[in-house]
Amino acid sequence: DVKVTQSSRYLVKRTGEKVFLECVQDMDHENMFWYRQDPGLGLRLIYFSYDVKMKEKGDIPEGYSVSREKKERFSLILESASTNQTSMYLCASSSVGGAITDTQYFGPGTRLTVL
Amino acid sequence: RKEVEQDPGPFNVPEGATVAFNCTYSNSASQSFFWYRQDCRKEPKLLMSVYSSGNEDGRFTAQLNRASQYISLLIRDSKLSDSATYLCAARTGGFKTIFGAGTRLFVKA
Repeated sequence: DVKVTQSSRYLVKRTGEKVFLECVQDMDHENMFWYRQDPGLGLRLIYFSYDVKMKEKGDIPEGYSVSREKKERFSLILESASTNQTSMYLCASSSVGGAITDTQYFGPGTRLTVL
Repeated sequence: RKEVEQDPGPFNVPEGATVAFNCTYSNSASQSFFWYRQDCRKEPKLLMSVYSSGNEDGRFTAQLNRASQYISLLIRDSKLSDSATYLCAARTGGFKTIFGAGTRLFVKA
């Protein structure tokens, strides 16, 4: 089974703090993704990576950055957390980017609250 | 207009009922489609993939209508355990998958 793990299930931070969310997958997948999920808005793509050290902006990259130094690990960084970044953050991975059969597998999510 | 739209529900159905959800997509170049199930405060899990006209897996059937740009999910003989949010997703190609906001289903005894 594909396993995607995230470093924290729940996180509470203060406005202005730098926040690191870590994601690790154990299936040697090429592609990794970071989404945020908010009620009524669904999942929105923040950033994705299709190879080590490669990254691409998604639909809502503002206020976020990412790092992928190793194939299995993809980190999301909130440079200066703000209250509007309170959300559920979901990491996903997939094996065959670009193919129509490419399927994403999700981690358990990190519920981040910024006070 | 959202790229992938779903009726948020909730759909309240009795056990044993048949329920259907529709999902519309705006990009006619979309090539592959997915239904995910998401339990409360859990991650989405893939339920079905649809690449051509449809797919069936036990009590679940997904249909794709390219002319009208929608996909549907039919659940037969609903179980209490089917209560969840069902997310529809579409991919045009490349790496990006667009998700709908989800349809909430409650199955009651």
